[in-house]
Amino acid sequence: KAGVTQTPRYLIKTRGQQVTLSCSPISGHRSVSWYQQTPGQGLQFLFEYFSETQRNKGNFPGRFSGRQFSNSRSEMNVSTLELGDSALYLCASSLAGLGNTEAFFGQGTRLTVV
Amino acid sequence: QKEVEQNSGPLSVPEGAIASLNCTYSDRGSQSFFWYRQYSGKSPELIMFIYSNGDKEDGRFTAQLNKASQYVSLLIRDSQPSDSATYLCAVNPGGTSYGKLTFGQGTILTVHP
Repeated sequence: KAGVTQTPRYLIKTRGQQVTLSCSPISGHRSVSWYQQTPGQGLQFLFEYFSETQRNKGNFPGRFSGRQFSNSRSEMNVSTLELGDSALYLCASSLAGLGNTEAFFGQGTRLTVV
Repeated sequence: QKEVEQNSGPLSVPEGAIASLNCTYSDRGSQSFFWYRQYSGKSPELIMFIYSNGDKEDGRFTAQLNKASQYVSLLIRDSQPSDSATYLCAVNPGGTSYGKLTFGQGTILTVHP
């Protein structure tokens, strides 16, 4: 059974550019959550999608957005990149995104903004 | 007060010893609790989850939950050098917190031969 797949694994972007990251969840999982991980702030929740709908959102500016497709694959977009957006972006897949279901992480996308 | 706090570490134990990792959380209504292991440069890997008060054992790992004290712990018995990693405690508040896990800052564990 394939795990959570994130692409690309590494990205280098320039300030002001935008970037799109992709996440394919485990087959049968309909909930995809996105997290940002930095050495200073740790793992922080960005948003969660289920059946193409955003159900939950963390405390990030509007430059961070996402969407989910009918096959449960999800993308997140960051516009007008800032140096502080350099981080490991992780997506987590779960059956339903409810409190009593386990979430499994992909390998992450390492974004560097220069 | 942080929502999820872990013992600061780093924690160093000899091979074969018991490693004890602790976590407290502030939201009394929190429903489910997870322990992830993260090796350097890798993504978090789920190793244990617990929803009910008491102990839950899985191989060398035991998770303990005390909702009254808002405390969750992870014990690793017969620690191995391969257990050396950062351990992350994560809490789901329940209710409408779909897909959201709040993480502690992590505890670095080193198991030395």
